[in-house]
Formats: sequence, C-alpha cells, structure tokens
Amino acid sequence: EVQVVESGGGLVKPGGSLRLSCAASGFTFSGYTMNWVRQAPGKGLEWVSSISTTSSHIYYGDSLKGRFTISRDNAKNSLYLHMTSLTAEDTAVYYCARGMGFVGRGYYYMDVWGKGTTVTVSS
Amino acid sequence: DIQMTQSPSSLSASVGDSVTITCRASQSIYTYLNWYQQKPGQAPKLLIYTASSLQSGVPSRFSGSRSGTDFTLTISTLQPDDFATYYCQQSYTAPLTFGGGTKVEIK
Repeated sequence: EVQVVESGGGLVKPGGSLRLSCAASGFTFSGYTMNWVRQAPGKGLEWVSSISTTSSHIYYGDSLKGRFTISRDNAKNSLYLHMTSLTAEDTAVYYCARGMGFVGRGYYYMDVWGKGTTVTVSS
Repeated sequence: DIQMTQSPSSLSASVGDSVTITCRASQSIYTYLNWYQQKPGQAPKLLIYTASSLQSGVPSRFSGSRSGTDFTLTISTLQPDDFATYYCQQSYTAPLTFGGGTKVEIK
C-alpha cells in the first residue's frame, strides 16, 4: 500500500524547535518530490515546503522567513521538517504529501497524503 | 505570489443537486490548477489535476474546467459522501498557493 506517515508533532514553547518526520512506504521514495502542507485550526491549507528527488531543488513558503528546513534521506525513505523559532502562528496540523511532476514548472500535484501530525506552540 | 480566490466560501445543497465551485487566479496559470476534497479530521484528497484531469478512483460526477483565469469544479449529482470542503491549488509557479476553501453543507 502506498502511504506516508507523519510523526514528531507535539507541544512546544514559543521560541522552541521541533523536527517532524515522514516515513514513506509502498513506492519508490527517491523518485518523487515531497512536500509539507499545514493547516491551522479551523483554517485552510497552506503549502510549507517542497524538496526534489535529489534535494537539488528546495522551495519554501514566504511566511516561513527562513525558520524551517526541509530535508530527506532516500536511503531511509524519509522526509523531514526542522522548525525553529516557533510561534503560536505555527500551530497547525502538518501533512506530508507526495508530489507528481516538478515544482515551479506547471504540471505538479500532490496525490498521496498522510494523516498529519499536530504541532501546538504554547507556553 | 499568485492569489487564488474561491467562491462561494460555503454553500448548502441537497443530495442530487448539481454544485459548482469557482476559483479565480490573480494571473494566468494556464491549466495548472488542482482540486482537493477534505472531510473533517481527514487529510486532503486529490480530485482533479491540471484543471480537468480526473484522478484515478474519483467518481465521474466530479469534473473541472477552465475559462481564462477562472476555474470551476462541478459535482453533477451530489451524493452524501460529497459533503466536505473543497480547495483549489495553483501549480504554475512557486510558492504554491491554495484557495481559501468552499464548504459544501447539507441543506
């Protein structure tokens, strides 16, 4: 079964850091661009970041201001998101999603999504 | 950044109705527009990609179309399972951006 499973969420204090993980299975992980998308409570979807198959192309949403770092380990079929200087505005469910196509070249969509991991930033 | 404006933000409809949701891009994105469905407490699900291509396994009552920078998602005969929130997303350029969502509720 093709799936991605997120982990690493939790409660963190403002200014703190957290690393999210996404474990992929059922497909050739190294052949796909991967993504993080988040959703604040009661709000819509917000794209966070994407990373190409060999990590040669990395993209971030404008609102992150250099605080987040996406990475991947193809040998471990895993995607990561390292988040620093967290604020209450980062409180959200964080989804890992598989991408089809190439970011920034038009044809691109996210076809496999995990159930998400919840990050709560609060003192 | 490309802004995606969805309308309406919510609608009420009955089982069997035909429903249309609109998404307008702030500039040309050609056909690089995807639609997702999300139910409460669940992850988004891809319905349509590149404006009108139906994702495998998605019922044929879902369809998408484009007219310039305006895109529509149509559900031809609303089923109980279709009550959810729908999002458009442009993939023409980074940063990828989503519309604000349209919640389809039972009348």
